[in-house]
Amino acid sequence: DSGVTQTPKHLITATGQRVTLRCSPRSGDLSVYWYQQSLDQGLQFLIQYYNGEERAKGNILERFSAQQFPDLHSELNLSSLELGDSALYFCASSVIAGNNGYTFGSGTRLTVV
Amino acid sequence: GENVEQHPSTLSVQEGDSAVIKCTYSDSASNYFPWYKQELGKRPQLIIDIRSNVGEKKDQRIAVTLNKTAKHFSLHITETQPEDSAVYFCAASFGNEKLTFGTGTRLTIIP
Repeated sequence: DSGVTQTPKHLITATGQRVTLRCSPRSGDLSVYWYQQSLDQGLQFLIQYYNGEERAKGNILERFSAQQFPDLHSELNLSSLELGDSALYFCASSVIAGNNGYTFGSGTRLTVV
Repeated sequence: GENVEQHPSTLSVQEGDSAVIKCTYSDSASNYFPWYKQELGKRPQLIIDIRSNVGEKKDQRIAVTLNKTAKHFSLHITETQPEDSAVYFCAASFGNEKLTFGTGTRLTIIP
């Protein structure tokens, strides 16, 4: 157990639907990062939150949104889902930023049918 | 922003031989360089990291070297074993900036 908790582990949904992925960071970590990993692809950075505020944005689609709550857990909302959104979504956390490494959660595997 | 290039994208080595994966970075201010290992269907896990005030770091069969002048760093795995088969990602960051990851190297150990 890495200390970063992601739920659910698996999600199967239909095109056009909306889903919410949840992440609880490791205790003491203030930053949360979301990554998308399609089959046999690298880690595509979506968005970072630090202590409740958006800190950096990557290639995140307008159909996707995220937030970090006062208890520091984060949610990634994916709407109007398309087949191409099927991927493994990872959440990672760090104390402040990148220079102490990230701890990744086990991911949520999203399948859009 | 920072850009990290990683080579090769795939690498096959005989069991017992050494494997080397190389990364270059663009921002000379970057000062933290971790390496992550991702087994199939699992989360990336930090295996070793190095900071810019150090030129080399070893942990058993794994070592990382850093050349700040050339802006490149490398992962060396000696006496490779089947369980070393995975995708390896390098990354770089400076200060409070997020990590920038390389595109990954799929390492296959041939028994």
